[in-house]
Amino acid sequence: DTGVSQDPRHKITKRGQNVTFRCDPISEHNRLYWYRQTLGQGPEFLTYFQNEAQLEKSRLLSDRFSAERPKGSFSTLEIQRTEQGDSAMYLCASSYKTSPGQGLGTEAFFGQGTRLTVV
Amino acid sequence: GEDVEQSLFLSVREGDSSVINCTYTDSSSTYLYWYKQEPGAGLQLLTYIFSNMDMKQDQRLTVLLNKKDKHLSLRIADTQTGDSAIYFCAESTGTASKLTFGTGTRLQVTL
Repeated sequence: DTGVSQDPRHKITKRGQNVTFRCDPISEHNRLYWYRQTLGQGPEFLTYFQNEAQLEKSRLLSDRFSAERPKGSFSTLEIQRTEQGDSAMYLCASSYKTSPGQGLGTEAFFGQGTRLTVV
Repeated sequence: GEDVEQSLFLSVREGDSSVINCTYTDSSSTYLYWYKQEPGAGLQLLTYIFSNMDMKQDQRLTVLLNKKDKHLSLRIADTQTGDSAIYFCAESTGTASKLTFGTGTRLQVTL
């Protein structure tokens, strides 16, 4: 297993188009997270899944955004009717269920991200 | 809500020590982390500290935590040009489903 992989690495799209990103987590990890990172800012939490269930969504995730993890393995993040403000790096991370006494950050591994540019 | 703040930029000379600071507001933070992000790369966990600790040392890295003031720092000894990157502090609670990141500090190492 080579870690968390994201596809594509870069995406340029015209405003108003729909885009979809894919994340393949580490195979035994049952938790999967999406973050968004805009230029000059730290990553911001968007949503997370435990297996196929989407358990938490940030208010940043507007109704144009939808995430799925249909079989509890890979996940997709779709943005409909893209706007220039959607331009950002979209990061995926995965973890196994956090063990007692262990912090989430010690067990979550990040992918390299998908950089979206909306023109 | 949670808020994590960092200074934006730090420049040091190669061989000197770097100290990157972070303040946070969530008193229930249980774990605090330092991540490194190089251009075009994902986030790499450098080190972390549990909230009941004051200090943690890991090779060239020293983390200091002042829980009373909600202040976290990362000291890099003998800073090298390869340490040039953006450094993020982050926090989570014990049962957290998410990490809350700071705004990042860009470390520039000059010769």
